Amino acid sequence: DGGITQSPKYLFRKEGQNVTLSCEQNLNHDAMYWYRQDPGQGLRLIYYSQIVNDFQKGDIAEGYSVSREKKESFPLTVTSAQKNPTAFYLCASSRGGGPNQPQHFGDGTRLSIL
Amino acid sequence: GENVEQHPSTLSVQEGDSAVIKCTYSDSASNYFPWYKQELGKRPQLIIDIRSNVGEKKDQRIAVTLNKTAKHFSLHITETQPEDSAVYFCAASKPPSNTGKLIFGQGTTLQVKP
Repeated sequence: DGGITQSPKYLFRKEGQNVTLSCEQNLNHDAMYWYRQDPGQGLRLIYYSQIVNDFQKGDIAEGYSVSREKKESFPLTVTSAQKNPTAFYLCASSRGGGPNQPQHFGDGTRLSIL
Repeated sequence: GENVEQHPSTLSVQEGDSAVIKCTYSDSASNYFPWYKQELGKRPQLIIDIRSNVGEKKDQRIAVTLNKTAKHFSLHITETQPEDSAVYFCAASKPPSNTGKLIFGQGTTLQVKP
């Protein structure tokens, strides 16, 4: 979906460094999500936000942080506390945080360790 | 909590044959079941979804069936084509349903041989 933009496409992290992944959507969606994708494990939810200025931890939130200051933006910070950050990160959005709303994904950011 | 198991992990079929991927879920309160297709290095794309008040849904060569009693749902692709080759993920809504959260299966790599 062209309405969700993730940047950068590739990102490298040094030891002890925090890095921030960008996710912007122009679909006027209320809800946004961050997933981590590792080979053979499907998608795992890191954080989600149903509305501006509110967000909740997902299943694997440790070592990550987010903010939701604007409806269009939901950046993810991978902190130095995340000891195994190498993965493919996907951002998604949906019309509302209610039930039965399809999620639409961005193109992803691939994070690697230097 | 909700758990989604997906089988098989890999599936190879001859062009023109049918392909079936099955998922089981653990929480009977789940009420929304989407399927995503992810081509190599690309974003997951929603291909079909089904809600718990429906037993079957079709869209051209793709169909999904839901058995609420047995807590499983399946993706059926008929007349497969090489462009159907991709990783397919099932997902189930994670109660409470008003969060929009999804739990994903581990994925099935489908290879369609010409």
